[in-house]
Amino acid sequence: GAGVSQTPSNKVTEKGKYVELRCDPISGHTALYWYRQSLGQGPEFLIYFQGTGAADDSGLPNDRFFAVRPEGSVSTLKIQRTERGDSAVYLCASSLKAAGSYNEQFFGPGTRLTVL
Amino acid sequence: DAKTTQPTSMDCAEGRAANLPCNHSTISGNEYVYWYRQIHSQGPQYIIHGLKNNETNEMASLIITEDRKSSTLILPHATLRDTAVYYCIVRPNFGNEKLTFGTGTRLTIIP
Repeated sequence: GAGVSQTPSNKVTEKGKYVELRCDPISGHTALYWYRQSLGQGPEFLIYFQGTGAADDSGLPNDRFFAVRPEGSVSTLKIQRTERGDSAVYLCASSLKAAGSYNEQFFGPGTRLTVL
Repeated sequence: DAKTTQPTSMDCAEGRAANLPCNHSTISGNEYVYWYRQIHSQGPQYIIHGLKNNETNEMASLIITEDRKSSTLILPHATLRDTAVYYCIVRPNFGNEKLTFGTGTRLTIIP
């Protein structure tokens, strides 16, 4: 079946611009996660949704970052006034359910964001 | 989440068993050990997890010491496709849904 998909695969933007990154989770997965990965580092947690609501947004670095999941499926990560330090691979993951017992997270291929 | 310590890199000959160690000396009683791997230009992939008993699945085996302060991931017959960065993560099995990745072990399978 289809896995987690992310668009675009690559995004180049200029400092100060606004960008949106999209994630399509596996159908039926109620939990959705965003991570970002800088070169040579492991993925770093940003935010996690259970359904439509953000259950944990403790990883968002500042108020320039915002994410939504209005219908409990597709999610969009929005970055305002981009900075060169925002350059990274942004990874999305989904899992069948979040509470109770462990459900593995399935990751998408990521969006590589480059801020010039 | 408890921290983990892994070697930065390892090599293994194709067809041999790859043994990847992980130290997690501050692991709590309710925390499990998870392993994910990340092949170049892909997202991480779940491999296996366990609490205190050894675990085996179609991908790998996980050996956890009796004091739970360390563990070893074993890939029984490594292939070139197993070349990846392997992450050892400790976390509770419920709640605290995020995964906290370290820098992992870069495993290179040598033909």
